[in-house]
Amino acid sequence: AQSVTQPDIHITVSEGASLELRCNYSYGATPYLFWYVQSPGQGLQLLLKYFSGDTLVQGIKGFEAEFKRSQSSFNLRKPSVHWSDAAEYFCAVGDSYTGFQKLVFGTGTRLLVSP
Amino acid sequence: EPEVTQTPSHQVTQMGQEVILRCVPISNHLYFYWYRQILGQKVEFLVSFYNNEISEKSEIFDDQFSVERPDGSNFTLKIRSTKLEDSAMYFCASTLGSTDTQYFGPGTRLTVL
Repeated sequence: AQSVTQPDIHITVSEGASLELRCNYSYGATPYLFWYVQSPGQGLQLLLKYFSGDTLVQGIKGFEAEFKRSQSSFNLRKPSVHWSDAAEYFCAVGDSYTGFQKLVFGTGTRLLVSP
Repeated sequence: EPEVTQTPSHQVTQMGQEVILRCVPISNHLYFYWYRQILGQKVEFLVSFYNNEISEKSEIFDDQFSVERPDGSNFTLKIRSTKLEDSAMYFCASTLGSTDTQYFGPGTRLTVL
């Protein structure tokens, strides 16, 4: 079965420091990969996605992610974190075996930003 | 920018009662989804819907759940007889094509007492 692993439950980063959130997936075919962000009490906002092509994808708010097939990873990065980035981040893989795409989410990583 | 909307934002109900959660997907989208997130847990797929029928459903989506697109704009999730374990945040999502990016609504927090 398809699965997504986000090994870090919590991460604390100082404001201005760089960030990397890890995501590993298990999927039998070429995956569709996503990062969503959820601020407290809010819904899920798409940060970026990978469908095919360039393995380094740029997203909103200065985020980027790199697809590495050999490592089954899709890690999210940001060079300089802002206090407003504090939120929960979810990696997801699109399971489209049936022709319709359901998203399989990881357990999320809560990002805390210290002053 | 078009967005998915959901009502109500918070619903409190007694165990055994029926609830209907409402969603208005993005207007030209054709594929609709419900997910749920129990507090502190991951977001889980419930059901996908296309052309007025369910295309896929998870094990969670048992006979107590149903979905409907009663008109050209709304997409509803009904839980016939709520249980305590149905307490969760329910997210609606929609896409234009079957494998396009899913856009999520803000969610409805359902509390079953």
